[in-house]
Amino acid sequence: EVQLVESGGGLVQPGGSLRLSCAVSGFTFSSYAMHWVRQAPGKGLDFVSGISTNGDTTYYAKSVEGRFTISRDNSKNTLHLQMGSLRVADMAVYYCVRVPRVERQGYYYSYMDVWGKGTTVTVSS
Amino acid sequence: DIQMTQSPSSLSASVGDRVTITCRASQSIGNYLNWYQQKPGKAPKVLIYAASSLQSGVPSRFSGSGSGTDFSFTISSLQPEDFATYYCQQSYSVPNTFGQGTKLEIK
Repeated sequence: EVQLVESGGGLVQPGGSLRLSCAVSGFTFSSYAMHWVRQAPGKGLDFVSGISTNGDTTYYAKSVEGRFTISRDNSKNTLHLQMGSLRVADMAVYYCVRVPRVERQGYYYSYMDVWGKGTTVTVSS
Repeated sequence: DIQMTQSPSSLSASVGDRVTITCRASQSIGNYLNWYQQKPGKAPKVLIYAASSLQSGVPSRFSGSGSGTDFSFTISSLQPEDFATYYCQQSYSVPNTFGQGTKLEIK
């Protein structure tokens, strides 16, 4: 069974740091790009960061660039998100997401096909 | 970043109704458009990818169409389990961006 299990969320003061982890099982982790997506209470979905299959390429939402770092350990089937200089606006449920790439009529498309249950980050003094 | 605008933001409908949600991109994104369903307290679930491809296991009453900047998502006959929030998302460029969501409620 394909599973993504996030951990590391919790309460942190503004300006603090947290490291989220996502342990995956049931598929070949190294074959998939991965994303982090967050959802603030009562709000919509917000892309946070993504990483390529081998970790060579990373990308971030402008709102977190320079403060968050995504990484992966393919030998341990684990995805990480190091979050620093946290703000109240970063408070959300953070989802780890698998991103397959499929071919349709000569073009390659990506989408988010498996999501973890999420881990909650609370930023408050 | 590419902006995605969904309409309407909310919609009331009855079981058996046909409903359509639209999504507009701030620039052309080809067919790089996905649709997700989210129920309260749950993670989102992909329904449609590449604008019109139905994800495995998703009922055929869900469909998507469009290309370029204008897309639509249709539920042909609403079922009780379809009342949820729906999001479009572009995968044409990074950062991928989502629409603001459409909440589908029971009339």
